[in-house]
Amino acid sequence: DQQVKQNSPSLSVQEGRISILNCDYTNSMFDYFLWYKKYPAEGPTFLISISSIKDKNEDGRFTVFLNKSAKHLSLHIVPSQPGDSAVYFCAARVEGNTPLVFGKGTRLSVIA
Amino acid sequence: EAGVTQSPTHLIKTRGQQATLRCSPISGHTSVYWYQQALGLGLQFLLWYDEGEERNRGNFPPRFSGRQFPNYSSELNVNALELEDSALYLCASSLGGLRTEAFFGQGTRLTVV
Repeated sequence: DQQVKQNSPSLSVQEGRISILNCDYTNSMFDYFLWYKKYPAEGPTFLISISSIKDKNEDGRFTVFLNKSAKHLSLHIVPSQPGDSAVYFCAARVEGNTPLVFGKGTRLSVIA
Repeated sequence: EAGVTQSPTHLIKTRGQQATLRCSPISGHTSVYWYQQALGLGLQFLLWYDEGEERNRGNFPPRFSGRQFPNYSSELNVNALELEDSALYLCASSLGGLRTEAFFGQGTRLTVV
């Protein structure tokens, strides 16, 4: 049973445009959500997070939106840059110091 | 400040052998997590150690085991290696407590031949 789902395996966006990566979850006990970026042969790098008491968190070019009623979150990257090309993982955790549950990732390609 | 470090970077083993992977967390972090990323798959949770104790394990057979040392570093052992154990093994650490993100090492690429 996959609790965190990233239904788009890949996404291509032109440089300068907006990239929108989506994530759905099924466990209503999740209360903290994170996005990680991963380059090949490297460990994931933390990007941005949001707690369930918020619906939006912004950090520079990256914004995460949370819709709890739909159990859906999205990561917006504006403007997209070629260096953003990577695999993006959505992750979630139940309240407390618990292991992160990851989606399968979405490969973003930003085309110059 | 040093990040999460893992060793070795690459490891090649023969089917049936044992593999030992090591992880040093960020200074001050007491929780260590192990994940497996097999080709084409996402990150699958393996094991979680906190304050020297195993807190949780994922859906993996008992031949995947580990431990956490008093200095919070950790070891992952995989016994009786099988070809499908070939994967990138990632270690992450966190401060613990509520809503703290986990920071990952660069991983150990295990190849079983």
